[in-house]
Amino acid sequence: SQKIEQNSEALNIQEGKTATLTCNYTNYSPAYLQWYRQDPGRGPVFLLLIRENEKEKRKERLKVTFDTTLKQSLFHITASQPADSATYLCALVKDAGNMLTFGGGTRLMVKP
Amino acid sequence: EAGVVQSPRYKIIEKKQPVAFWCNPISGHNTLYWYRQNLGQGPELLIRYENEEAVDDSQLPKDRFSAERLKGVDSTLKIQPAELGDSAVYLCASSLATGSHYEQYFGPGTRLTVT
Repeated sequence: SQKIEQNSEALNIQEGKTATLTCNYTNYSPAYLQWYRQDPGRGPVFLLLIRENEKEKRKERLKVTFDTTLKQSLFHITASQPADSATYLCALVKDAGNMLTFGGGTRLMVKP
Repeated sequence: EAGVVQSPRYKIIEKKQPVAFWCNPISGHNTLYWYRQNLGQGPELLIRYENEEAVDDSQLPKDRFSAERLKGVDSTLKIQPAELGDSAVYLCASSLATGSHYEQYFGPGTRLTVT
């Protein structure tokens, strides 16, 4: 079965810096990879999706990369703000139409 | 547009008692999911519905868990009897259709504590 690893330790950065979160997976290469944000007491909120044939995807201050050779996705938040503080989850899908398998998430803390 | 609605938000029960969670997905969303999220972990899929049909329930502990989605809209997830290990947040999500390129919209979840 697919194993997804996200850094379980919180990432603390200073406001204005770029936050980089890592998602590593084993076994099969997913067809799609999604990133979600989750705030305490709330459900995850979709942020970005990247396909296996895409190297990079951007949305405003967010950037996601997908390296199928390294079996890794990186999630970047540029010019980070305290409001970006949350837990970020990556989720993989083996095939189109198949279901999401989530990583454990990484908590990001942006300090003013 | 209203999001995914779940109730109750919190539930505390004693072990061996039954409990039920309710979910109302976003209007027009045909696919509905129930997930369980343990503290410090990502959500794990329990069951997926396409309209009224449960099409993926391989992770649902069928000896004590049951779910239904009558008329292809609202859904209920039930646990009977509850065990201490069932304490978790139960999340409901919906998407327009099946397909991993469709984003899933999550509700706020029901936090279950079994004592």
